[in-house]
Amino acid sequence: KNEVEQSPQNLTAQEGEFITINCSYSVGISALHWLQQHPGGGIVSLFMLSSGKKKHGRLIATINIQEKHSSLHITASHPRDSAVYICAVPNSGGSNYKLTFGKGTLLTVNP
Amino acid sequence: DAMVIQNPRYQVTQFGKPVTLSCSQTLNHNVMYWYQQKSSQAPKLLFHYYDKDFNNEADTPDNFQSRRPNTSFCFLDIRSPGLGDAAMYLCATSRDQDKKQYFGPGTRLTVT
Repeated sequence: KNEVEQSPQNLTAQEGEFITINCSYSVGISALHWLQQHPGGGIVSLFMLSSGKKKHGRLIATINIQEKHSSLHITASHPRDSAVYICAVPNSGGSNYKLTFGKGTLLTVNP
Repeated sequence: DAMVIQNPRYQVTQFGKPVTLSCSQTLNHNVMYWYQQKSSQAPKLLFHYYDKDFNNEADTPDNFQSRRPNTSFCFLDIRSPGLGDAAMYLCATSRDQDKKQYFGPGTRLTVT
């Protein structure tokens, strides 16, 4: 089973700040997911990436397959970005549909 | 436009009273998943369908069943809900088993 570690667990920022959330995993993968979950809400898939970098609006995700590490960046953070951000990777072996989730990073952006 | 729709968003049921949660998708994806997420925990995969093939996780209780009558719809049946089954139930879809999963908004189940 793939082990996933996220840091930090909690992050408080002021509106406008640049945010970085990190994710490391133990077993080589084909792709990694970044997910967003607002408190009490459902999950939104932000990115699925297998190499390099992806950008969507103010969100940027990068991955380094060799180092087994990914980062999620938020530029010009806003209070509506406050949510839990979760990194997820496929299990190793044949069950690559099954995701192992990180414990999440709770981001609070204050106005 | 919503792509993965879950109904209802909130469901209250009594201890032992069967309940059905619904998921529909407009993406025409082959794979549909059901996850259970308890408070402050990561989602836990209960089962998934690849087309009509049902794949149950080994640790999913028998109390949980699922039906997929067609590509668009998938149902989660809880035969005799216990207090421990109170959770958020998330449906997700993907084009294939190793592709990006698209999540629905979830159904929050309360058991009284």
